[in-house]
Amino acid sequence: GEDVEQSLFLSVREGDSSVINCTYTDSSSTYLYWYKQEPGAGLQLLTYIFSNMDMKQDQRLTVLLNKKDKHLSLRIADTQTGDSAIYFCAENLLLNTDKLIFGTGTRLQVFP
Amino acid sequence: DAGVTQSPTHLIKTRGQQVTLRCSPKSGHDTVSWYQQALGQGPQFIFQYYEEEERQRGNFPDRFSGHQFPNYSSELNVNALLLGDSALYLCASSLLGTQTYEQYFGPGTRLTVT
Repeated sequence: GEDVEQSLFLSVREGDSSVINCTYTDSSSTYLYWYKQEPGAGLQLLTYIFSNMDMKQDQRLTVLLNKKDKHLSLRIADTQTGDSAIYFCAENLLLNTDKLIFGTGTRLQVFP
Repeated sequence: DAGVTQSPTHLIKTRGQQVTLRCSPKSGHDTVSWYQQALGQGPQFIFQYYEEEERQRGNFPDRFSGHQFPNYSSELNVNALLLGDSALYLCASSLLGTQTYEQYFGPGTRLTVT
């Protein structure tokens, strides 16, 4: 089946690390993505990971993938107020198309 | 490098009317996908266009139709609008055959049906 789940809300203090979690159910997924959406805006692609990888680091962002448990996480180091947004994980089914299945999003609030 | 653009930004329509939304893909991209994002939800896949043909369709009724032009731009048409069609409509572009299958999104069109 196609289902991606995320926790709805996360609140962190500025300067701390944020960890946003996601679980997916479709074992045929090959790529998993993290997108950021600021109020009233479209989606900004942050990073992605291939399903044969365990970890990917890109500046302040670290993606961890546990394929056995179908669990994906995004860690943001030194979280800033500008990181406040909704974060979506998405899986790519790669079944003759690059259709993305999105989670419901996690709202990250960063307070001083 | 121009990103994905969409027009109009906002639109208000009445139930039963028809609407057309437009999208220009990122320079160098040849594939356009459309998504519907209801308030408080993640985007839902509507359909995808490549070489002016619909490649795959999500779970949306036939009232939703699309088109892709030779310059890769695309339109989304919705007929017989319902209140439940109120949403943010997002266009995403990609390059078919790209190993990482990245999709880049436009700012969206906010449709309100009254």
